[in-house]
Amino acid sequence: AQRVTQPEKLLSVFKGAPVELKCNYSYSGSPELFWYVQYSRQRLQLLLRHISRESIKGFTADLNKGETSFHLKKPFAQEEDSAMYYCALSDAGGTSYGKLTFGQGTILTVHP
Amino acid sequence: KAGVTQTPRYLIKTRGQQVTLSCSPISGHRSVSWYQQTPGQGLQFLFEYFSETQRNKGNFPGRFSGRQFSNSRSEMNVSTLELGDSALYLCASSPWTGREQFFGPGTRLTVL
Repeated sequence: AQRVTQPEKLLSVFKGAPVELKCNYSYSGSPELFWYVQYSRQRLQLLLRHISRESIKGFTADLNKGETSFHLKKPFAQEEDSAMYYCALSDAGGTSYGKLTFGQGTILTVHP
Repeated sequence: KAGVTQTPRYLIKTRGQQVTLSCSPISGHRSVSWYQQTPGQGLQFLFEYFSETQRNKGNFPGRFSGRQFSNSRSEMNVSTLELGDSALYLCASSPWTGREQFFGPGTRLTVL
């Protein structure tokens, strides 16, 4: 079974501080990991996928298969980063088509 | 390209009724997935369609069904509505694999 855990429901930091949103997963197959973000009154949107290894809006995430983690990091948080962040997992090699398993989400608040 | 659209945006129904929700994917996308989002359970996968065929199904009762048309537009239907079906229903489209998904704004269903 697939499982994604985001241990922090709420995370508060000050502007300019580093931020790390934690994500751990459980899956015996070949996982593909994503971070989605939902800003206030906007739809869920893709932020990062691990296979692209991109940095989007200053955020990065590295897949650590040994620790089964995919933490999202940003060295200097901005107020506009305040949002709900979801970690999600997909089966990269199997037949579980179209299914993303989401964590419960972390609400990030960046204070001025 | 225009994003994923969902209609209607809001619905109020009473117990026992049925409801049909509609989703238009991004042009060229052939995979459509549906999710139920509630405060208690978070985002849960309902089913996925590709080329008018259901490829994957989540753990929901048979009252939840869907279909996809030849133009990739999709509908989901919930029959014999229960109070617990009150939720935000999200659809997401993907070009092919169903892994990298782009979400619509959702339909807020309230069952009274």
